[in-house]
Amino acid sequence: DVKVTQSSRYLVKRTGEKVFLECVQDMDHENMFWYRQDPGLGLRLIYFSYDVKMKEKGDIPEGYSVSREKKERFSLILESASTNQTSMYLCATLRGSGNTIYFGEGSWLTVV
Amino acid sequence: KQEVTQIPAALSVPEGENLVLNCSFTDSAIYNLQWFRQDPGKGLTSLLLIQSSQREQTSGRLNASLDKSSGRSTLYIAASQPGDSATYLCAVAGGATNKLIFGTGTLLAVQP
Repeated sequence: DVKVTQSSRYLVKRTGEKVFLECVQDMDHENMFWYRQDPGLGLRLIYFSYDVKMKEKGDIPEGYSVSREKKERFSLILESASTNQTSMYLCATLRGSGNTIYFGEGSWLTVV
Repeated sequence: KQEVTQIPAALSVPEGENLVLNCSFTDSAIYNLQWFRQDPGKGLTSLLLIQSSQREQTSGRLNASLDKSSGRSTLYIAASQPGDSATYLCAVAGGATNKLIFGTGTLLAVQP
């Protein structure tokens, strides 16, 4: 079974703090994604990566950056957290194209 | 720009009933369509993946159909059970980027 692990399930951070959300997958998949999920808005793509050190902006990249130094790890970075970034963050992974996408359990971030 | 809509937003049915969840999309140039299940506070679990060349996919009591020309997909759940209670999301993938565009989901409650 594919395993997508988001190391932090619940975080509370203060406005202005730098926040790292880590995602690790164990299936050697090329593609990795970060989404946020908000009530009434569904899942929105923040950033994705199709290879090591490669990244592309999704639909809502403002206020976020990403890092992919190794194939199995894709990190989402909030340089200066704001209250409107309070959300559930979901990491996902996909092999090639046209295949099933696998999600992690999600990270609940509250910014106070 | 691709938009994905799911109707109804919420549905409550008695146990044992057959039901249909709907998903519509505005751009028929899709690569594939996936249906997911999400339990409260959890990540997404892929249920069925339909490639653009396929008309339907089946897994147990679930059957998903795809009509690209009309921009519609349905998820049919036979003999519903309380354990089917969850949010069901559909997502379409288009183009070489493997980006998924999600609907906002249907919250299903199956009453014992």
